[in-house]
Parts: sequence; structure tokens; C-alpha cells
Amino acid sequence: DTAVSQTPKYLVTQMGNDKSIKCEQNLGHDTMYWYKQDSKKFLKIMFSYNNKELIINETVPNRFSPKSPDKAHLNLHINSLELGDSAVYFCASSPRGPGGHEQFFGPGTRLTVL
Amino acid sequence: RKEVEQDPGPFNVPEGATVAFNCTYSNSASQSFFWYRQDCRKEPKLLMSVYSSGNEDGRFTAQLNRASQYISLLIRDSKLSDSATYLCGSGYSTLTFGKGTMLLVSP
Repeated sequence: DTAVSQTPKYLVTQMGNDKSIKCEQNLGHDTMYWYKQDSKKFLKIMFSYNNKELIINETVPNRFSPKSPDKAHLNLHINSLELGDSAVYFCASSPRGPGGHEQFFGPGTRLTVL
Repeated sequence: RKEVEQDPGPFNVPEGATVAFNCTYSNSASQSFFWYRQDCRKEPKLLMSVYSSGNEDGRFTAQLNRASQYISLLIRDSKLSDSATYLCGSGYSTLTFGKGTMLLVSP
């Protein structure tokens, strides 16, 4: 009965590679998010989708491209990975939103770029 | 000035103690406020929403002070299992989180 799930849980890769992280929620929520939490533990929003439409795109390099095939899924593709991309990436969802409603987080994907 | 600021701690308290955290926010248009708990190497989990009139959930009490733009979390009768990092979040169109306050409860 997992609410927000992400795959993979761990991702170790070389600089310059391209990788994807997948997220799915079974809560019936309309809005999904990607957050990055760096080594200093700062949780920063990257993107938000509402019903498959991009509504928030913070200052994120265009190497990061989110895709939402339907409102239950939000994937994140990263091109040309850099050392500074190493972080934990959390997916989250909320009933409506953004901002005005509680968000529920997935378990995170720990990305290490070597 | 950061949008949401918290004292990083750690707050070291004995079991049974009462401890309080504050969180200040800079966006006066913020309408939604939350406290999350994050255990080491885990995801943030919603602890409680913060309502204008203040609200309580068992040992946890949250307050909002709009005039001074801060929210607070009070934990009574601390348990060992309360040891975690507590993140506050506030926002209007987006939710912005503080860096969190670490709480360590010792026997």
C-alpha cells in the first residue's frame, strides 16, 4: 500500500552519463513535485506538475527534464551528469496545489556521481 | 535573507523534557504552514499542519504568529523516538522548507 514510490533507491554513475528516476503515487493526488536535498540537508523544489502540466520550474539546469505521462507518474531525466548533481532526490505529491496542501514524500533516490 | 529559517541545533534534551522550536518565514503572503519530521536517510514525513488558531496533536503543539512571521513547535514529554530533524515549511504558490532543526533525546 505504498503511497509515493520511487525507483531506483540508489543510483551510482559516472560523470557525463544520462539517468532517469521514476516516481509513482497511488493517492489520487493532482500535483506532483521533484525536490533535491543536498549534503547540507537543504530541501529545494525543482519542479511541480499539476494534472500532467508543468506549473513550477525553479532555476534548474536544462539538463534536468521532468516528464509526466499521467497524473500518477512524474519521472526525472538527467543528462550529462555532473559531480554537483550528487544528492537525494525526493518525489512528492499533494491533493491539490501547489503550496496550499500537505505534501507526501517518496523514499528518495540517492544519486552519487563519480 | 533566506525565505524560511530554522536554528539547526542540535537540541540535546533528556527524556521527558519539553522542547520548542521556532521557524521564521519571510514571505508575508504565505498561507500554508507545516511541520515535517525527517529521520536520518529517510524522507520527510508530515507531522502536522499549522493553523492560525494553533493546534495540538497529542504531545505536539503548533502555533502560528503572523505578526512576527514565525511558527513554533512544542514537544512535551520527549521520547527517545522523537530524535529526528524537524523541518518547517511555508508557502503560498510553492512550499519552501527550512534546513531543519535536529533534536536528540537522550535517556
